[in-house]
Amino acid sequence: SQKIEQNSEALNIQEGKTATLTCNYTNYSPAYLQWYRQDPGRGPVFLLLIRENEKEKRKERLKVTFDTTLKQSLFHITASQPADSATYLCALDLTGNTGKLIFGQGTTLQVKP
Amino acid sequence: NAGVTQTPKFQVLKTGQSMTLQCAQDMNHEYMSWYRQDPGMGLRLIHYSVGAGITDQGEVPNGYNVSRSTTEDFPLRLLSAAPSQTSVYFCASSSAGGEETQYFGPGTRLLVL
Repeated sequence: SQKIEQNSEALNIQEGKTATLTCNYTNYSPAYLQWYRQDPGRGPVFLLLIRENEKEKRKERLKVTFDTTLKQSLFHITASQPADSATYLCALDLTGNTGKLIFGQGTTLQVKP
Repeated sequence: NAGVTQTPKFQVLKTGQSMTLQCAQDMNHEYMSWYRQDPGMGLRLIHYSVGAGITDQGEVPNGYNVSRSTTEDFPLRLLSAAPSQTSVYFCASSSAGGEETQYFGPGTRLLVL
């Protein structure tokens, strides 16, 4: 069966450390993989997109890796801050051409000062 | 730009009632989608549209109708509300041919009694 999984347990880290979130999928061949941030009571906000032929992408303190052999993406936040506390969602875009996404259930990150 | 707007923010319905959730975007995006978000399940795609006059079903379309008569608007209709439709509903839009990142609205919280 097709699945997309993120760590269901919350991730608690100390301010200044690097947070690493995992997204695993099975039986999909996505064209793109996207990461979103969601704060309580708000809609998701886009962070990064990585294509199937890209291994790594960076934006400021954020880094995403994409391993299509392992069927896994890792999302890193370096020098984490309490303001980074939120739920992070990964999403697969299978076709890259219709705006349809398949979301994981999200991982909640708590950064403690 | 207002981005993606949704109304109402919150609605209580009785079983069997019908209603329309409104979604509008002012970014001239071709693609629009409706998702529902339930605890522990992530966002699931209900219906989507790749342009005015074109709609298609997502993962969980039963009990919902959509139409897209203009580029800007993409209403979601609940024909006969059921308690299983209690959820938070998000509308999203994205541009064809670009990075295809999705812009989400603030959500509508629906409670069906």
